[in-house]
Amino acid sequence: EAGVAQSPRYKIIEKRQSVAFWCNPISGHATLYWYQQILGQGPKLLIQFQNNGVVDDSQLPKDRFSAERLKGVDSTLKIQPAKLEDSAVYLCASSLETSSSGNTIYFGEGSWLTVV
Amino acid sequence: AQSVTQLGSHVSVSEGALVLLRCNYSSSVPPYLFWYVQYPNQGLQLLLKYTTGATLVKGINGFEAEFKKSETSFHLTKPSAHMSDAAEYFCAVTGSGNTGKLIFGQGTTLQVKP
Repeated sequence: EAGVAQSPRYKIIEKRQSVAFWCNPISGHATLYWYQQILGQGPKLLIQFQNNGVVDDSQLPKDRFSAERLKGVDSTLKIQPAKLEDSAVYLCASSLETSSSGNTIYFGEGSWLTVV
Repeated sequence: AQSVTQLGSHVSVSEGALVLLRCNYSSSVPPYLFWYVQYPNQGLQLLLKYTTGATLVKGINGFEAEFKKSETSFHLTKPSAHMSDAAEYFCAVTGSGNTGKLIFGQGTTLQVKP
């Protein structure tokens, strides 16, 4: 079974530039998550989708971050304009349903962003 | 609100020694608890999880954890450390009835010395 796919794996941009990350979840998984992991910290949820609807985006900095999940499968996370503090690993994850039923969340390998 | 505290950002053990990584949680609803491992430059891999039932949970690679409600703890153990266990370990909590998002601790880096 293929895992969660993310691209690009690594990206270096200058501040105020824009960047986009792509995620393809495990086939059949209804729930998709984007987490931000800053060096030395645990992952923090940015946004959660159930199919193509947003369940939770309370910690997404909406002035610069946006995300979409068209057709309820692939997802794109965009940052525009980027700030130095956005340097982090962006982890995409998916699960069959929400973890309120104890379903396992599967993570991709992450997209590493450095803003200079 | 839910939160996770991992005691000790770095733990160092000798190969063959007991591994103990500590995790305490706070939750206003019955918790579901998870341990994930992250190897360098990789994503997170599930080690084990507790949802309901038996409080001693066995996971992959010889790891296990025990849910202790009275102590609000979910410590991770392994009887004998192997060099390949060197990685970062994250404890996470979610709760029944919520959206299912995981709240992670800050992580513990495990070093295994030969």
